[in-house]
Amino acid sequence: KAGVTQTPRYLIKTRGQQVTLSCSPISGHRSVSWYQQTPGQGLQFLFEYFSETQRNKGNFPGRFSGRQFSNSRSEMNVSTLELGDSALYLCASSPPGTGVGELFFGEGSRLTVL
Amino acid sequence: AQSVTQLGSHVSVSEGALVLLRCNYSSSVPPYLFWYVQYPNQGLQLLLKYTSAATLVKGINGFEAEFKKSETSFHLTKPSAHMSDAAEYFCAVSFSSGGSYIPTFGRGTSLIVHP
Repeated sequence: KAGVTQTPRYLIKTRGQQVTLSCSPISGHRSVSWYQQTPGQGLQFLFEYFSETQRNKGNFPGRFSGRQFSNSRSEMNVSTLELGDSALYLCASSPPGTGVGELFFGEGSRLTVL
Repeated sequence: AQSVTQLGSHVSVSEGALVLLRCNYSSSVPPYLFWYVQYPNQGLQLLLKYTSAATLVKGINGFEAEFKKSETSFHLTKPSAHMSDAAEYFCAVSFSSGGSYIPTFGRGTSLIVHP
């Protein structure tokens, strides 16, 4: 079974631009979560989607948004990029029925903002 | 509110020595606890999880962790370290929110293994 796939793996943007990151969950997983990982703040929860609905949201500004499609694939968007948005963005999916927060992570999209 | 504290941002051991990575949690309800490992330039991989069954949980790669409610701890151990164990380890606690469970992660502990 294929794992969680994130694209692109690496990207470089400049301040003020916007970026879209994509995530394909493991087949059969309907819950997709996004995390931001930085050396200073560690892993911070961005949002979680289930059946195309945002079910939970972390404490990030409105520049960070996401969505989920009917096939469970998810995208997140960051608008008006700032230097501090440089991070590894991790997508994770959850198997149905476990209900306790077990996550399967992709390899991440490393964003550098110049 | 739930939180996780990992004691020691770096732990250094010799190959063959005991590995002990410490994790303490704070939770107002019975927690679900996890250990994840992250190798360089990769995502996180689940090592093991505690879901209120046996208090001693065995995971992959020879790791295990013991849930101690009285100490609010969930320390990760491995009897004998291998060079391949060098990685970043994260403890996480999950709690119910909006009909799902959202893990909160500790800051991570970097395990360094010396030959």
